[in-house]
Amino acid sequence: SQQGEEDPQALSIQEGENATMNCSYKTSINNLQWYRQNSGRGLVHLILIRSNEREKHSGRLRVTLDTSKKSSSLLITASRAADTASYFCATDAGQAGTALIFGKGTTLSVSS
Amino acid sequence: NAGVTQTPKFQVLKTGQSMTLQCAQDMNHEYMSWYRQDPGMGLRLIHYSVGAGITDQGEVPNGYNVSRSTTEDFPLRLLSAAPSQTSVYFCASSYFSGGADYEQYFGPGTRLTVT
Repeated sequence: SQQGEEDPQALSIQEGENATMNCSYKTSINNLQWYRQNSGRGLVHLILIRSNEREKHSGRLRVTLDTSKKSSSLLITASRAADTASYFCATDAGQAGTALIFGKGTTLSVSS
Repeated sequence: NAGVTQTPKFQVLKTGQSMTLQCAQDMNHEYMSWYRQDPGMGLRLIHYSVGAGITDQGEVPNGYNVSRSTTEDFPLRLLSAAPSQTSVYFCASSYFSGGADYEQYFGPGTRLTVT
């Protein structure tokens, strides 16, 4: 069963706007990762945040993690048309060294 | 580095046929895994391996076999294809045995249709 659930399922914004996606998960985790998938392509790793971290930045990406609420958010600032893709959060099952479990994803559409 | 490669890119099978999806990586990664992606379902883990000779089942292993005789290769075998196995299959690899501890590198996928 899915560990993570992204919200919203779909998001449409204009270029230059910020996009926020949320991920909730069920069990305690060691790490949470975000991936991007362009249509018809494989997944590309964006960022990893560990359970003892609260916030992490990478370029225009900002990820937060709230382990008390079992949730994470991915913020993409100043969106571009090239950010159009599906975004997935992925977590372990609470034990180091276990497999990565993906959510169903948020489909982001950025129009120019 | 070629990264993670998968062959074939596309495949059409008839119900009952068997085939092997190939996956190879040239990054000396210990951890490799297979996922299937269905519309609206995200990625579901089929099988994974933490090193040569070691494999384990994921969430949806039925109908699939794997083996890991070398670090580089992790083939996925469909024993007797069924229409429910129509999907896009992704292979991924990462450093060490911690599949969730490090970023995973994905192959381009194999789109399989079973008629």
